[in-house]
Amino acid sequence: EAGVVQSPRYKIIEKKQPVAFWCNPISGHNTLYWYLQNLGQGPELLIRYENEEAVDDSQLPKDRFSAERLKGVDSTLKIQPAELGDSAVYLCASSLDWDRALSNEQFFGPGTRLTVL
Amino acid sequence: AQKITQTQPGMFVQEKEAVTLDCTYDTSDPSYGLFWYKQPSSGEMIFLIYQGSYDQQNATEGRYSLNFQKARKSANLVISASQLGDSAMYFCAMREEVYNTDKLIFGTGTRLQVFP
Repeated sequence: EAGVVQSPRYKIIEKKQPVAFWCNPISGHNTLYWYLQNLGQGPELLIRYENEEAVDDSQLPKDRFSAERLKGVDSTLKIQPAELGDSAVYLCASSLDWDRALSNEQFFGPGTRLTVL
Repeated sequence: AQKITQTQPGMFVQEKEAVTLDCTYDTSDPSYGLFWYKQPSSGEMIFLIYQGSYDQQNATEGRYSLNFQKARKSANLVISASQLGDSAMYFCAMREEVYNTDKLIFGTGTRLQVFP
């Protein structure tokens, strides 16, 4: 079974430029997450989707970040314009429908490492 | 206050020895779940082990075991018979039932290095 796929793996851009990250979750996983991982830190949730609906985007900086999940499968996270402080790893994860089981496991992709110059 | 605290930025262990990675947590919710993930240099987070707050026994998965001390709010990961491939970042995470969400809160991680 294929895991969570993310692209690109690495991206270097100049500040004020736009950038987009793509994620393909595990087949059959209706819940998709985008996490931000700063250097030396654990991942922090940016947004969570259940199918096409963003059910938790409270941590997403909406002035410059946007996300979409058309058709409830692939997802794209965009930053426009990028700032120096956006340099980080952006992780995508997916899971089966959350049935309120505390043990529900999230499966992570390899992440996209963004460097803003 | 930090929800998840991992006080060891780095740990060294010799191959074939056991190592304990510390994790303490803070919650007032009686129902919660604790996770450990491994993040190798390739970047993906790999699930290792889960412990529920009401589980009577400490969780075990192969060479991984979780030393769960509920009164002390600690959930330390024990890796037995360390292997060179165990060198990675290790993250402790928690999910709290009170928020009725599957949101995970992660600690800052511990870098484990296994030497021959």
